[in-house]
Amino acid sequence: AQKITQTQPGMFVQEKEAVTLDCTYDTSDPSYGLFWYKQPSSGEMIFLIYQGSYDQQNATEGRYSLNFQKARKSANLVISASQLGDSAMYFCAMREGIQGAQKLVFGQGTRLTINP
Amino acid sequence: GAVVSQHPSRVICKSGTSVKIECRSLDFQATTMFWYRQFPKQSLMLMATSNEGSKATYEQGVEKDKFLINHASLTLSTLTVTSAHPEDSSFYICSAPVVFKGETQYFGPGTRLLVL
Repeated sequence: AQKITQTQPGMFVQEKEAVTLDCTYDTSDPSYGLFWYKQPSSGEMIFLIYQGSYDQQNATEGRYSLNFQKARKSANLVISASQLGDSAMYFCAMREGIQGAQKLVFGQGTRLTINP
Repeated sequence: GAVVSQHPSRVICKSGTSVKIECRSLDFQATTMFWYRQFPKQSLMLMATSNEGSKATYEQGVEKDKFLINHASLTLSTLTVTSAHPEDSSFYICSAPVVFKGETQYFGPGTRLLVL
């Protein structure tokens, strides 16, 4: 069974608009972590934001925020005021368990294109 | 802080040769590192978990005799692709969890392997 699902293969957004990238997950572990990474054409994986399963508030990092809906098992990434440099692949990932030294499972990714 | 390096960034080799890829944590210690493989237009797939001082743990379907992993120190893990074939051509990327950054995993810049 797919543990991380990203249903949007591609998204096209006008510059300066906000964009939401969808991510749903499946786990029976009460302790887990959710991550979003950005992968530009260079291939590097850039960490954007992290949400722990016990965190009471939605995580925010600058223009990035994570809309964590625990009951729905969703962890959507919201990018406010999109910029041309935001064009990239975006991956949602999950780690089961508390410790950081646990493997990540990735979704299929969403290719975001920001149009000028 | 929290920088992970990889070397080489790109390698082209002949079929049948072996290729070694290094993954280093530059400003922190990593008892565990992870090796992923990414084929074009696909997501990251975990190959193995590298453990300092003990044997690596391989994911199902990954040949341990073909992909040799050595975690020689708290800052270095190596992946050796033995007797490489064209189907091994891929993007290989490592990651390490960073304790002082909470539960975050940081990735190296990746290595593009092309086997002719």
